[in-house]
Amino acid sequence: GAGVSQSPSNKVTEKGKDVELRCDPISGHTALYWYRQRLGQGLEFLIYFQGNSAPDKSGLPSDRFSAERTGESVSTLTIQRTQQEDSAVYLCASSHPGARGFFGPGTRLTVL
Amino acid sequence: GENVEQHPSTLSVQEGDSAVIKCTYSDSASNYFPWYKQELGKGPQLIIDIRSNVGEKKDQRIAVTLNKTAKHFSLHITETQPEDSAVYFCAANTNAGKSTFGDGTTLTVKP
Repeated sequence: GAGVSQSPSNKVTEKGKDVELRCDPISGHTALYWYRQRLGQGLEFLIYFQGNSAPDKSGLPSDRFSAERTGESVSTLTIQRTQQEDSAVYLCASSHPGARGFFGPGTRLTVL
Repeated sequence: GENVEQHPSTLSVQEGDSAVIKCTYSDSASNYFPWYKQELGKGPQLIIDIRSNVGEKKDQRIAVTLNKTAKHFSLHITETQPEDSAVYFCAANTNAGKSTFGDGTTLTVKP
């Protein structure tokens, strides 16, 4: 496809379980971002990958959150020992450096 | 790092009136400023953007202005319609840096 894709679209999990969210960026986009958006709130920056540079992890809220990206391909965001406050929509975006971002449809995470 | 502030956080206008959303940024190296519209239940979508070598850009009812000296840029929507109701985000980018978003403005257009 031509756009950013994310999977799953919805994830319901029990408190304490680990979850893995996937983002497939647009081919050729070296920049990839993860954001969290709680209901009715703004975009909360989590992590930024740019090519082979060390990722900017300054937005990760705790050490339960981690993300990986191999080269300029797929990225996975992992949340360990999920808590109810982790419930949110997780948005991924990719771009050329310094250019507009293209967002995926998001993954809605619900922690029971 | 870059810091982007967006005002107001909520804005309510009557259909047909204009709406203005303002953002300020801190990094003078920022040179690209996109605006995104996010409708309920959807991801943000680009609606207009401006680069630092331009002072104003217009696309039908939407315009963006940029004041590099003051480090602020604004989104202007004229003749607002109910379907303009959404959350609007500004962002600032450098050539090689990440996008920094404002906190968003919830625009409500009352019929």
